Amino acid sequence: QQPVQSPQAVILREGEDAVINCSSSKALYSVHWYRQKHGEAPVFLMILLKGGEQKGHEKISASFNEKKQQSSLYLTASQLSYSGTYFCGTGRGSARQLTFGSGTQLTVLP
Amino acid sequence: GAVVSQHPSRVICKSGTSVKIECRSLDFQATTMFWYRQFPKQSLMLMATSNEGSKATYEQGVEKDKFLINHASLTLSTLTVTSAHPEDSSFYICSAPSGGEETQYFGPGTRLLVL
Repeated sequence: QQPVQSPQAVILREGEDAVINCSSSKALYSVHWYRQKHGEAPVFLMILLKGGEQKGHEKISASFNEKKQQSSLYLTASQLSYSGTYFCGTGRGSARQLTFGSGTQLTVLP
Repeated sequence: GAVVSQHPSRVICKSGTSVKIECRSLDFQATTMFWYRQFPKQSLMLMATSNEGSKATYEQGVEKDKFLINHASLTLSTLTVTSAHPEDSSFYICSAPSGGEETQYFGPGTRLLVL
């Protein structure tokens, strides 16, 4: 089953913060976050493997709550380059395949 | 990070013809690769898992006789769309896992347009 992402879309000004959520009805083994620009392939941001884990990548960080079966992506002091569609992908344990959420379209305005 | 290439990047073909898309891992070996399809403004949908040395496994609803997958070597997987029809027009993307955390690295994608 496809994980659910929220919000579907968000518009913010440069320098503002945003949070994107990803939740699943099934147990999560891993959560992968990607950003895709229009017409391009998804670019890897980060992977979270353990419950309660948090990771950071410059001004982008994420948390993973295994018990709640959800993950959140935090973008702080957003830049114009952050614009794109963000997808979470949930891992199926040892099978290695990812099931992607519906995506969140993020638009950063100057 | 690891690099995955795809060829061609764009292809236009007539209805009824077959189209082959290549996916290569350039700086690592991949015993497994994944093929996704993405329609405009939609998410990536896993089509099949390509396995080196064995048959591909297909997701429910994906016709294995229409989407032929061959994992010829540890660095190459091909997807052939046979007897393509306009509804097969889409963005096809492959990925391969690499590293201890098995991060999925995506190829640049192939945009297929069937006329």
